[in-house]
Amino acid sequence: KAGVTQTPRYLIKTRGQQVTLSCSPISGHRSVSWYQQTPGQGLQFLFEYFSETQRNKGNFPGRFSGRQFSNSRSEMNVSTLELGDSALYLCASRVGVGETQYFGPGTRLLVL
Amino acid sequence: QQQVKQSPQSLIVQKGGISIINCAYENTAFDYFPWYQQFPGKGPALLIAIRPDVSEKKEGRFTISFNKSAKQFSLHIMDSQPGDSATYFCAAPGTSYDKVIFGPGTSLSVIP
Repeated sequence: KAGVTQTPRYLIKTRGQQVTLSCSPISGHRSVSWYQQTPGQGLQFLFEYFSETQRNKGNFPGRFSGRQFSNSRSEMNVSTLELGDSALYLCASRVGVGETQYFGPGTRLLVL
Repeated sequence: QQQVKQSPQSLIVQKGGISIINCAYENTAFDYFPWYQQFPGKGPALLIAIRPDVSEKKEGRFTISFNKSAKQFSLHIMDSQPGDSATYFCAAPGTSYDKVIFGPGTSLSVIP
């Protein structure tokens, strides 16, 4: 079974731009979560989608948004990029609540 | 704010030694307690997980010990190898049943 895939793997943007990251979960997984990982803050939860509905949301500003499609694929959007948004953005999928999460390789975003 | 605490922050072990990483959590409503392993530039990979109805689970050189009453669980790596050098994260429930909170991570270095 194919794992979680994320595209693109690397991205360089400038301040003020916006970016869209994509995640394809493991087949059969209906839940997709997004995390931001930085050296100083560790793994910070952004949001989780289940069956196209946002179930949980972390403590991030409204510039961070996401959505999930009917095939469970998910996108995350960050508008008006700031230097501090430079991070590894990880997507994780699971079958459902209470089940194990499986992570993708991440998208490395650098904001200049 | 619900927290998951991990200790130690970093660990240096000689090849062949035992590595022990501890995790303490607050919320009890959870179906599994996992440990993830992350190598530089990669996403976290599920290493081993335990259900709360058992006290210990062993997979090869990796063992989880779970103490439900103390709200703690630990990862033991027997016969540690240089290839085990990575960052290890535990995860546990957050403020709601379906919210996952990750520990801050433990950097393990296994020296020859």
